[in-house]
Amino acid sequence: GAVVSQHPSRVICKSGTSVKIECRSLDFQATTMFWYRQFPKKSLMLMATSNEGSKATYEQGVEKDKFLINHASLTLSTLTVTSAHPEDSSFYICSAGDTGTSGGYEQYFGPGTRLTVT
Amino acid sequence: QKEVEQNSGPLSVPEGAIASLNCTYSDRGSQSFFWYRQYSGKSPELIMSIYSNGDKEDGRFTAQLNKASQYVSLLIRDSQPSDSATYLCAVNTPTDSWGKLQFGAGTQVVVTP
Repeated sequence: GAVVSQHPSRVICKSGTSVKIECRSLDFQATTMFWYRQFPKKSLMLMATSNEGSKATYEQGVEKDKFLINHASLTLSTLTVTSAHPEDSSFYICSAGDTGTSGGYEQYFGPGTRLTVT
Repeated sequence: QKEVEQNSGPLSVPEGAIASLNCTYSDRGSQSFFWYRQYSGKSPELIMSIYSNGDKEDGRFTAQLNKASQYVSLLIRDSQPSDSATYLCAVNTPTDSWGKLQFGAGTQVVVTP
């Protein structure tokens, strides 16, 4: 399957600072990438759809000014958590899609970034 | 409100037995269906995709799709302790933005030696 990387894998930051998370598709181009967050023992929550060369589409209840998404190239999307607070501590996971062996669109996840805000 | 429903489990399965996971979805227009495996503390890993009615086999995994009944299932044969994980069902519907998936809450599987 296609490979998606994320960096950093873990980050600890102080309350009030900003953190940038990178998501890269390593062996394919992705015009669309997705950003999720997941709290412990909870299901995935889609935050936003990142579109190359255009604005991201945010899910209801997600603050676009707090979670800044930039999809500047076909292989890179970034999520910046601005003015982070302890309640933003979570597991952030990106995904990107590629055509699978069955010919359909399949979504592959990066390894995730664990953010802890102190 | 589109929904994807799964039993949360845990589903306890003896080693070597068959694990059977079920998923139902509410949007009859859904066309693409996926099973992901997620180990604790890790991100989801795609293990199966299915697009048409019937069975699809890949190694020890078999996905079954019945669009008329709006359910998709996953069978894990010869279950191993390494299969212990949460299995997520995901569905794509054309009316959603391109590529967007609706996820179920996941079924936790525990394979006991």
